Amino acid sequence: DQQVKQNSPSLSVQEGRISILNCDYTNSMFDYFLWYKKYPAEGPTFLISISSIKDKNEDGRFTVFLNKSAKHLSLHIVPSQPGDSAVYFCAASWTAFSGYALNFGKGTSLLVTP
Amino acid sequence: DAGVIQSPRHEVTEMGQEVTLRCKPISGHNSLFWYRQTMMRGLELLIYFNNNVPIDDSGMPEDRFSAKMPNASFSTLKIQPSEPRDSAVYFCASKPGSGNTEAFFGQGTRLTVV
Repeated sequence: DQQVKQNSPSLSVQEGRISILNCDYTNSMFDYFLWYKKYPAEGPTFLISISSIKDKNEDGRFTVFLNKSAKHLSLHIVPSQPGDSAVYFCAASWTAFSGYALNFGKGTSLLVTP
Repeated sequence: DAGVIQSPRHEVTEMGQEVTLRCKPISGHNSLFWYRQTMMRGLELLIYFNNNVPIDDSGMPEDRFSAKMPNASFSTLKIQPSEPRDSAVYFCASKPGSGNTEAFFGQGTRLTVV
């Protein structure tokens, strides 16, 4: 049963515009959320995270928003650049248990066109 | 640090053969995870270890799959016998054992079973 869902398999955005990637989760025990970026033939790399005590975290062009009541988070990339073209995975974990694994969504493939 | 190291990068084997995938986690990391990536299921957790002890192997698809972590610097994922539906990219990841931290992924092993 997929506890983390990314319902958009793909997204295409023009360079310079905003990219918004969405993620929903079902397990209310999740308290730490992450976004990973993956290029072809490479492993996923960490991008940005947010704790459930916050509703927003910003790092340069990347901002993650968390809506706990809706069990929804989103990743905003502003402005989008061609190098941002990759697959983005949303992940969630329950940190009360040390070492609890990350549950991933299926990913959203972002294409940023010049 | 060289990061999480996986070997081999690519493996092609015939149906029925035994396959062993290897992983060296980042030194000092207490948790180790094996994930499998497929188009249908995205990144799914197979098993994870905490301090070399398997904590949750509920994601292991069948008895044909087994994983070991004999020490803090080495883990294996074995498939015996392999089947064509096992073809996927297998990732190993490690993270420090406590706190809100991200997991670091290896570059993956692309397994093809013919």
